[in-house]
Amino acid sequence: QKEVEQDPGPLSVPEGAIVSLNCTYSNSAFQYFMWYRQYSRKGPELLMYTYSSGNKEDGRFTAQVDKSSKYISLFIRDSQPSDSATYLCAMSRDTGTASKLTFGTGTRLQVTL
Amino acid sequence: EAGVVQSPRYKIIEKKQPVAFWCNPISGHNTLYWYLQNLGQGPELLIRYENEEAVDDSQLPKDRFSAERLKGVDSTLKIQPAELGDSAVYLCASSPGLAGVNEQFFGPGTRLTVL
Repeated sequence: QKEVEQDPGPLSVPEGAIVSLNCTYSNSAFQYFMWYRQYSRKGPELLMYTYSSGNKEDGRFTAQVDKSSKYISLFIRDSQPSDSATYLCAMSRDTGTASKLTFGTGTRLQVTL
Repeated sequence: EAGVVQSPRYKIIEKKQPVAFWCNPISGHNTLYWYLQNLGQGPELLIRYENEEAVDDSQLPKDRFSAERLKGVDSTLKIQPAELGDSAVYLCASSPGLAGVNEQFFGPGTRLTVL
C-alpha cells in the first residue's frame, strides 16, 4: 500500500463547477500538506500548503486537512478551463530543504466549456 | 526571473546507450533535487544536493545512475547504460532554503524514451 493515495481520475467538470480533489495517507507523521498543479509537459508548481489540520483559502482555492481521518482535500470554486491540469498532493514530516516530499499519483482534471 | 532550466526537453535513445540530462536551477537556490516521474505517477526523489554536496542519494540506483553538481550551480544526471524501464520524465527542482515550507520550484523536465 502506498503512503499517499490519490484517485487518478480523469475528472471532467463543466466550467463554473465546484471541484473536490482528495488524498488519503497512512503515515501519521506527516504534518505539512501541499497541493501542486502540473500542466501537460510542464513541471509541478506549488498551489497551496497547510500545516497540520485546518482550512486555508486562497482565491478560488481552499485546502482542507483532517489529520484524524488522514484525509486532505483541495476545493476549486468557479472552475475555469485554465484549471485543466493534473493536481498532485504532497506531504512531508517537517519543513526545510531536507524534508522529503511524498507525492500522490495526481488527479487529472478537465474543465469543459 | 528565469525558472529552472532543463535540457534536453526530449531524448530518445536505444537501450544500453548512455544519456545525460542537464539542469540550471534558479539563481541563488542552494538546494537542488532530481526527481523521476513515471507516467501517471507523482515525482519520486532521486537525489538532493546542498550546494555541491549530495546529501541524500539513497534513492539513486548507483549501479547505472550518477549525478554531479560541480561548483554548486548546474547539475548533470547521467544514466549508463539505459534500460527500457528508465523511460520516464526526469525533473529537476530547486529550493531557496528559506524557513518554513520547503517550496520546490520545478523545471519542465526531460522526457526520456528508451527503445
